[in-house]
Amino acid sequence: AQRVTQPEKLLSVFKGAPVELKCNYSYSGSPELFWYVQYSRQRLQLLLRHISRESIKGFTADLNKGETSFHLKKPFAQEEDSAMYYCALSRGSTLGRLYFGRGTQLTVWP
Amino acid sequence: DAGVIQSPRHEVTEMGQEVTLRCKPISGHDYLFWYRQTMMRGLELLIYFNNNVPIDDSGMPEDRFSAKMPNASFSTLKIQPSEPRDSAVYFCASSRRTYEQYFGPGTRLTVT
Repeated sequence: AQRVTQPEKLLSVFKGAPVELKCNYSYSGSPELFWYVQYSRQRLQLLLRHISRESIKGFTADLNKGETSFHLKKPFAQEEDSAMYYCALSRGSTLGRLYFGRGTQLTVWP
Repeated sequence: DAGVIQSPRHEVTEMGQEVTLRCKPISGHDYLFWYRQTMMRGLELLIYFNNNVPIDDSGMPEDRFSAKMPNASFSTLKIQPSEPRDSAVYFCASSRRTYEQYFGPGTRLTVT
């Protein structure tokens, strides 16, 4: 069975500080991992996917298969980063279906 | 494209009443998902369809919940009878055989 765990429901940092949102997963196969974000009064949307190995809005995430983690990082947080972040997993063999973590509410203080 | 459309955006109803939530997916998408979001449980998948056929409804809480997709451009989620614990934000999302799901704005349901 697959499981996505986001250990922090709430995370607060000050503007300009580094931020790391943790995500751990369990899955015996080769997963694909994603981060979705929901800004206040906006729709939930894809932020980034591990296979792209890209940086979006200054955020990066590296898939660590040894530690089964996919933490989201940004070196200098901005107030506009305040949002709910969800880590999600795809089993690859099951097209379309995503398994979401419970989310982390990030607040960046001025 | 207006994206995924959900209606109503807000629904307030009394316990015991029937509630119907509606969703119009993005044209050409062949997957449709219904989620429920609460503070306690986060984002939960209730049911999803592929080509209008329900694939996995194991997340549907109980028999009071039902979902249909009569055609590629419309789906409903019905709760009958509704209970206060059903209060949540219900999201519909669609995708096209990929992991990028496009979410609707959600329906905020309050059952008093």
